[in-house]
Amino acid sequence: QSVLTQPPSASGTPGQRVTISCSGSSSNIGSNAVNWYQQLPGTAPKLLIYSDNQRPSGVPDRFSGSKSGTSASLAISGLQSEDEADYYCAAWDDSLNGHGVFGGGTQLTVL
Amino acid sequence: EVQLLESGGGLVQRGGSLRLSCAASGFTFSSYAMSWVRQAPGKGLQWVSAISASAVTTYYADSVKGRFTISRDNSKNTLYLQMRSLRAEDTAVYYCAKGFFRVPTIDFDIWGQGTMVTVSS
Repeated sequence: QSVLTQPPSASGTPGQRVTISCSGSSSNIGSNAVNWYQQLPGTAPKLLIYSDNQRPSGVPDRFSGSKSGTSASLAISGLQSEDEADYYCAAWDDSLNGHGVFGGGTQLTVL
Repeated sequence: EVQLLESGGGLVQRGGSLRLSCAASGFTFSSYAMSWVRQAPGKGLQWVSAISASAVTTYYADSVKGRFTISRDNSKNTLYLQMRSLRAEDTAVYYCAKGFFRVPTIDFDIWGQGTMVTVSS
């Protein structure tokens, strides 16, 4: 069971807007930055959003992140078939001398 | 080109040991914290361990504490993960990942391709 809670699946049609939630606690999301990763099948994860809402160079502005309290969200607008992937939220957790935590992952299907 | 290349994975018996390496190139290795993240077959990502840029500070997941040791050789641009007392649940693809800062965080901008570790019972 993951420290950060994500829905196991999400779906949408091309062009639609989809959001993926990530719920944590005061020791992780509530006090540290949230990052989001995209993992295409058979590949290494790729950083999609860092510091709650910042996009690395090269990531389309269709992807956006937000955070409020101990929860965070990833929004994907103008959904495209190539967005079909697994998405993970992540944050540093200050408990137990500090450690990293990931969400369980959300499998996004483009219908 | 910025790159991380893991090696050292393979098949090992339960209770055995293995050392993973991650060779870095294309960036100033000694300036950044590094981490190991693993992914069991068909499962999600799990953070394993992290080390600061200067190697002064290390962090471990509870599931590997006391069995795994992270280290780095900044003169060789290489990150290591020494794994001992391996269990079946350690079976996974192990990724090394580069952090944004000198201190460990969980924002990884560069990932390796991964190396598979299989622990047989």
